[in-house]
Amino acid sequence: EIVLTQSPGTLSLSPGERATLSCRASQSVSRNYLAWYQQKPGQAPRLLIYGASSRATGIPHRFSGSGSGTDFTLTINRLEPEDVAVYYCQQYGSSPRTFGQGTKVEIK
Amino acid sequence: QVQLVQSGSEVQKPGSSVKVSCKASGGTFSNYVISWVRQAPGQGLELMGGIVPVFGTTNYVQKFQDRVTITADESTSTVYLELNSLRSEDTAVYYCARDSHAVVVPQAVGYNWFDPWGQGTLVTVSS
Repeated sequence: EIVLTQSPGTLSLSPGERATLSCRASQSVSRNYLAWYQQKPGQAPRLLIYGASSRATGIPHRFSGSGSGTDFTLTINRLEPEDVAVYYCQQYGSSPRTFGQGTKVEIK
Repeated sequence: QVQLVQSGSEVQKPGSSVKVSCKASGGTFSNYVISWVRQAPGQGLELMGGIVPVFGTTNYVQKFQDRVTITADESTSTVYLELNSLRSEDTAVYYCARDSHAVVVPQAVGYNWFDPWGQGTLVTVSS
């Protein structure tokens, strides 16, 4: 199965700064079938990005995804207090579908 | 827009079983893979398996294959997760999630992202 490794484990930034989250796969993700989810405390995960770079419906433009093959990035421009959450990447190009271990984003 | 509503929290003893439900409303359900994902306290997300209700076909992640049964009742648009031989390590929030796209073949291996998700069901295993 494909192992996804996310870094850093925790990101602590000030409001308005840019957050850059990494997701690295143990082997190439088929067709760049990679998604990003946001999970706020006590809530279910929420889809942000699919297909590595397509924003889901209703997701603010400050969230963007990029990358291909084994290296993917989620960027949050102009960080807002409401962006405090854990962010997970998931590959869905190979079975079983797998998740990264998450990156926690905090506000200083 | 489909919504997934799960059953309430459970407390179970080690060695027993638990059955959690996930009811779909407001949209199409039967020809999508409905999966179960669990999250232990403070941990990440772990796929357990899924079902395509209209075909009844299932697919389980190997780690859970011996202890998990996923079933569906099309008449009530409900999918169930049953986990047997519970141990303390099974304490977790269990989520159901629907694939983003309907299946094109009758197998429960989805090559789609998960959207939407249920609200989660906390299962506590404690003596």
